Amino acid sequence: AQTVTQSQPEMSVQEAETVTLSCTYDTSENNYYLFWYKQPPSRQMILVIRQEAYKQQNATENRFSVNFQKAAKSFSLKISDSQLGDTAMYFCAFIPNTDKLIFGTGTRLQVFP
Amino acid sequence: ETGVTQTPRHLVMGMTNKKSLKCEQHLGHNAMYWYKQSAKKPLELMFVYNFKEQTENNSVPSRFSPECPNSSHLFLHLHTLQPEDSALYLCASSQAPAASGGTNNEQFFGPGTRLTVL
Repeated sequence: AQTVTQSQPEMSVQEAETVTLSCTYDTSENNYYLFWYKQPPSRQMILVIRQEAYKQQNATENRFSVNFQKAAKSFSLKISDSQLGDTAMYFCAFIPNTDKLIFGTGTRLQVFP
Repeated sequence: ETGVTQTPRHLVMGMTNKKSLKCEQHLGHNAMYWYKQSAKKPLELMFVYNFKEQTENNSVPSRFSPECPNSSHLFLHLHTLQPEDSALYLCASSQAPAASGGTNNEQFFGPGTRLTVL
């Protein structure tokens, strides 16, 4: 079965600090795409960062970066210099070679001033 | 309007009612999706439409009936729902189908419809 596991239901971090959200997944595919989505309290889900499995270089988008370990099937998200606006649910997801985007259960991140 | 819009944003219905959820995307995309989001559970993909054709029905009960009249509009018709169907229903779209690869498979989500079944 193709699954995504986010083992941290809730995390908190102080403003300006760094936090890492963990994600592991299970698939027998060799080529796939990995994503982190952010869902703020207003509910609109937006893409934070994406990674192609065939690329060894970790993706980076401003303060957001990933640590992609293909052999370990691990895809963690690091948020540097956390801001109050980063408070949201974060979902890890991946697309194996199908039309399905498979999500984890999410991590609720609270950034404190 | 831009992006993906959904109406209504909130809906309360009885088990014998018939209602419809509407999704519209203004991005020129060719694929559209319905997801169900329940508390403490992963988002569940319900239906996928590529170029107006349904390509995925993820074992969804027949009390949920999708309709895609064109590549910009997607409906979810609801009838004789159960209280356990209460959830946030999210619509999404992508330029290309999810499995096509490249940057065109990024999914853009609407704000969702919060459905409560009494």
